[in-house]
Amino acid sequence: AQTVTQSQPEMSVQEAETVTLSCTYDTSENNYYLFWYKQPPSRQMILVIRQEAYKQQNATENRFSVNFQKAAKSFSLKISDSQLGDTAMYFCALHSWGKLQFGAGTQVVVTP
Amino acid sequence: DAMVIQNPRYQVTQFGKPVTLSCSQTLNHNVMYWYQQKSSQAPKLLFHYYDKDFNNEADTPDNFQSRRPNTSFCFLDIRSPGLGDAAMYLCATSRGPGQGGHEQYFGPGTRLTVT
Repeated sequence: AQTVTQSQPEMSVQEAETVTLSCTYDTSENNYYLFWYKQPPSRQMILVIRQEAYKQQNATENRFSVNFQKAAKSFSLKISDSQLGDTAMYFCALHSWGKLQFGAGTQVVVTP
Repeated sequence: DAMVIQNPRYQVTQFGKPVTLSCSQTLNHNVMYWYQQKSSQAPKLLFHYYDKDFNNEADTPDNFQSRRPNTSFCFLDIRSPGLGDAAMYLCATSRGPGQGGHEQYFGPGTRLTVT
C-alpha cells in the first residue's frame, strides 16, 4: 500500500519570507513520481512541481523547489519569497501505476 | 488554451434525484479521472478511464457511475444522491503510462449540494 503523510496541517509565513512544507511517503515501487499541487481558495488544483524518483537532482520551478531524499522517502517543498497569491492548500502526491495518492494537505497562509 | 472544463460549476439536486456532472478536455489525454473532495480533505479517487477501459475504485459506492462516450468527454452519474454525497467533484486528465506524462491536470470542479 502507498501512503503519503503531511504532518503540518497549517503554516503561516510573512510576505517575502521562506516556508518549507514537509512530506513523507511510503511505496514499494521503484518507478514513481512525486508532485506538489496547490489548491487556492478558488479550488482549482494546480500543479506546482514534479519530481521523477529516478532523478537525483532536485526539481525547481521559479520560487518553488523541492528537497527529495529518496532513501528517507522524504519530499519537502520550499516556497521562497512568499507572495500573497501563494495562500492555498498544498497537497503532496505520489504517482504510481496510473494513480495519485494525496497527502492530507497543508494550508499555507501568507500574511502581509 | 488547452484545458479541462467542468459543467456546471455549481449543481443543486434533491435527495434521491439523479444528477449528471460533465467534464470535457481539449488536451487529447488518454486518461480521465473523477475525484470526490469534501471540505478540507484530499481528493478521493472514484474511478478513471484509460481510453475506453473503465477502472472502478474498490470503495466507490454503486450509486456512482461514469460514462466516457469519446476521448473528450466524461460524465459522472449519481443515481440517488444522499446528503453525504454533497462535495466538490473534480475531473482530471493525464497522458497515461508510456506516453511521457504522469501529472494530472484538473478542472475547476463542480460543487454539488443535496437538499
